Amino acid sequence: NAGVTQTPKFRVLKTGQSMTLLCAQDMNHEYMYWYRQDPGMGLRLIHYSVGEGTTAKGEVPDGYNVSRLKKQNFLLGLESAAPSQTSVYFCASSYSVLIDTQYFGPGTRLTVL
Amino acid sequence: QQQVKQSPQSLIVQKGGISIINCAYENTAFDYFPWYQQFPGKGPALLIAIRPDVSEKKEGRFTISFNKSAKQFSLHIMDSQPGDSATYFCAASKKEYGNKLVFGAGTILRVKS
Repeated sequence: NAGVTQTPKFRVLKTGQSMTLLCAQDMNHEYMYWYRQDPGMGLRLIHYSVGEGTTAKGEVPDGYNVSRLKKQNFLLGLESAAPSQTSVYFCASSYSVLIDTQYFGPGTRLTVL
Repeated sequence: QQQVKQSPQSLIVQKGGISIINCAYENTAFDYFPWYQQFPGKGPALLIAIRPDVSEKKEGRFTISFNKSAKQFSLHIMDSQPGDSATYFCAASKKEYGNKLVFGAGTILRVKS
């Protein structure tokens, strides 16, 4: 099993550009999450999904959109990138509400110039 | 508003010593308290977790102590090794909130050999 994978690993954008980050998991997990990690702030939840076709806002959702069209994939979109979105983005998944452990991907380092 | 406060920000411990990281939470509805370990360039990985119905949980050299009345929990690393050098995050979640994790700001641990 590959676990949780993220594409791409690195990306540099110019302000105003758009992009999509892809997260894929092969563990048949129901729940998926997108976090951003910034120095001194830990990880903060952007959006999450409790099942295929569902999404919900987390702590810092502004400027991001998500979609979960397939159970194994969770996409994070930036419609108009801003320098404040420079961060490391992590995707995570967990089996269900009954099993809490979240498994994290390797991260995507995004720089917005 | 940070719901989980973690201290210290950084910690240097001699090999063989005890590393102690503390966290305090505000929301008494939280029912799951994990610690995650993150190495540079990697995603966080679950280290150990506890639920509020027990006061202590031990797994090898790692122990969580939990004080429900004080709304505090801590990670103790016994016989610290250079390989333990990493960033440690405490977190909290509640099943009814979709198991969304609220993270502390992180502690950078360095174990000197």
